[in-house]
Amino acid sequence: AQTVTQSQPEMSVQEAETVTLSCTYDTSESDYYLFWYKQPPSRQMILVIRQEAYKQQNATENRFSVNFQKAAKSFSLKISDSQLGDAAMYFCASTYNFNKFYFGSGTKLNVKP
Amino acid sequence: GAGVSQSPRYKVAKRGQDVALRCDPISGHVSLFWYQQALGQGPEFLTYFQNEAQLDKSGLPSDRFFAERPEGSVSTLKIQRTQQEDSAVYLCASSPMGAYYEQYFGPGTRLTVT
Repeated sequence: AQTVTQSQPEMSVQEAETVTLSCTYDTSESDYYLFWYKQPPSRQMILVIRQEAYKQQNATENRFSVNFQKAAKSFSLKISDSQLGDAAMYFCASTYNFNKFYFGSGTKLNVKP
Repeated sequence: GAGVSQSPRYKVAKRGQDVALRCDPISGHVSLFWYQQALGQGPEFLTYFQNEAQLDKSGLPSDRFFAERPEGSVSTLKIQRTQQEDSAVYLCASSPMGAYYEQYFGPGTRLTVT
């Protein structure tokens, strides 16, 4: 089994600033995938970014990037130039076989104008 | 094309009633997942289908929960003799072949058991 922990229930950031959301995970698997999902108030979850554990290079998608520390089992999400539309719940997730995904409890991100 | 759709969007059931929740995945998507999301929590895995085969049902909380996907497209999650602890949002997600990491989620069905 895998566990995913998000220790920040809520975060706030000023518009145009940078914010980092934390995630730690635990797994006995050597190969796995990590994800960040965004769930806006309308509740339809969308994939923000993914990271394959075998890749050393941190994934980047436009303003979103991750800091993947495999030894520390840490997978944080950095949002640069925050926008009002970034306000949402963010969930960290993992899988090793794509049959079953494990999600953290989420971090609510507030963006202040 | 259309995304993942779920119906009904809201369901109120009296304790002890049976409910059926429907998921229409994106056409052609091979993988289909059901999750239960309690208020203020992350999604909890319930079950996984690859086409019509239910390959993992380890997350179903009790034998009152049953899921099917008989023709490899539409899926139904059935909950028998609903209990108050079943109150949650039930999310469905589908993934295409070759991009199993890319889950597309539906809007969810909010079930309230009174």
